[in-house]
Amino acid sequence: GAGVSQSPSNKVTEKGKDVELRCDPISGHTALYWYRQSLGQGLEFLIYFQGNSAPDKSGLPSDRFSAERTGGSVSTLTIQRTQQEDSAVYLCASSFGGTKNTGELFFGEGSRLTVL
Amino acid sequence: AQSVSQHNHHVILSEAASLELGCNYSYGGTVNLFWYVQYPGQHLQLLLKYFSGDPLVKGIKGFEAEFIKSKFSFNLRKPSVQWSDTAEYFCAVSNNNAGNMLTFGGGTRLMVKP
Repeated sequence: GAGVSQSPSNKVTEKGKDVELRCDPISGHTALYWYRQSLGQGLEFLIYFQGNSAPDKSGLPSDRFSAERTGGSVSTLTIQRTQQEDSAVYLCASSFGGTKNTGELFFGEGSRLTVL
Repeated sequence: AQSVSQHNHHVILSEAASLELGCNYSYGGTVNLFWYVQYPGQHLQLLLKYFSGDPLVKGIKGFEAEFIKSKFSFNLRKPSVQWSDTAEYFCAVSNNNAGNMLTFGGGTRLMVKP
């Protein structure tokens, strides 16, 4: 596609429910990132996928958070047993990797999650 | 681990005023430096970046940033702001040991009064 696509754009859920957020990166980009943007807290790194390498999960805040990337393209971020503090905008970004790396990340418009 | 500090959380300026947003990072090795901008209701987009070479980098819309290695700084500047520059600005750093993974500062909200 023309840009990074994320869905849903808005999600309201009840505390304790599971949610899945989807990211469709730019075609040809081998690197994919998830960030979380909370009010007043900037952007927090969550997880990074590069090609077929094991993902860098060092930013996931708890074991309730997981992400996978199927076929080196679409990624799903799953939050289990959501808590109110999970409310944030979840941003996905993609970029070229390897020798095509320009250092620039292309961001989607984000999925706004509200946990009641 | 690398970290990024943006000292100004909120900045209010009148049109035509000059702008300088501070950014300091901590990492002892070679870094790549970025400024991203998020206009109201839009996604994050790259404003400018520094990898190597001339430490004064020019970006889009008249913005520039200067890398001062001795100060671990990468401040963003614009000589004369416009109302359309109202946005949130994020400084970010990556290093070759962490691939493309960017560490962002907390952001600076700029409001330009017409």
